[in-house]
Amino acid sequence: AQTVTQSQPEMSVQEAETVTLSCTYDTSESDYYLFWYKQPPSRQMILVIRQEAYKQQNATENRFSVNFQKAAKSFSLKISDSQLGDAAMYFCAYRSAIRTIGKSTFGDGTTLTVKP
Amino acid sequence: GAVVSQHPSRVICKSGTSVKIECRSLDFQATTMFWYRQFPKQSLMLMATSNEGSKATYEQGVEKDKFLINHASLTLSTLTVTSAHPEDSSFYICSARTEAGDTQYFGPGTRLTVL
Repeated sequence: AQTVTQSQPEMSVQEAETVTLSCTYDTSESDYYLFWYKQPPSRQMILVIRQEAYKQQNATENRFSVNFQKAAKSFSLKISDSQLGDAAMYFCAYRSAIRTIGKSTFGDGTTLTVKP
Repeated sequence: GAVVSQHPSRVICKSGTSVKIECRSLDFQATTMFWYRQFPKQSLMLMATSNEGSKATYEQGVEKDKFLINHASLTLSTLTVTSAHPEDSSFYICSARTEAGDTQYFGPGTRLTVL
C-alpha cells in the first residue's frame, strides 16, 4: 500500500519570505499523480498544485512550485513571497494512475503559519 | 475549476436520529465520489468510495449500515448517518472526480454535532 509522509507537523514563515514543505511517499508503481492541497481555517480543501509522475518537469503555479524527485520519492512544495492568506494546513496526496484505484492517500498535513 | 457543493454546512441533531448530507457536483459529471471524515488538526480519513449506480466501497472499520451512501446520479451522492451518537460528531467532507479526471475536487464540508 502507498504511504505519504509529511515530517513537519508545523512550519512558520515570515511574510514575503520563502518556505518549503516536505513530503515523501512510498510506492512500487511507476505511474501516479501527486498533489498538494491547502485547507485554510474555512476547512475548504483547495488544490494548490498537481504533478504527473511521468513528467520530469516540476509543476509551478504562480508562487507555488514543487521539487519532484522521483527516484527519491520526494515531492516538496515551495511557496515564494509568502502571504498572510497562505496560512493553512497543507496536505500532500498520492493517487495511482490505475483508473480502477480511484482513491487518494493523504499525508498527515503541515500547519503553516505566516508571520506579518 | 470544478465546483462541488455540500448541504448542509452545519447540522445539530439529537442522539438516535438520522442525518443526511448531500454532495453535488455542480458543473461536471462525477462518476466517483468520496466521503471523508476529519477530526480537528488531523488528516482526512477516507470512509468510502462510491461509483454512480453501484454500491459504495467502504474502508476497513467503517460500518456500512451506519453510514449509508447512495450515488444515484452523476451529480449527487448522499451520506446518511443513521442512529447518530455523540461519537459521530465530526467534520464530513465529500469529493468528486470525473471518469477521465485525475484530480479530486472537494466540497466545503459538513460539521455534524450530535447531542
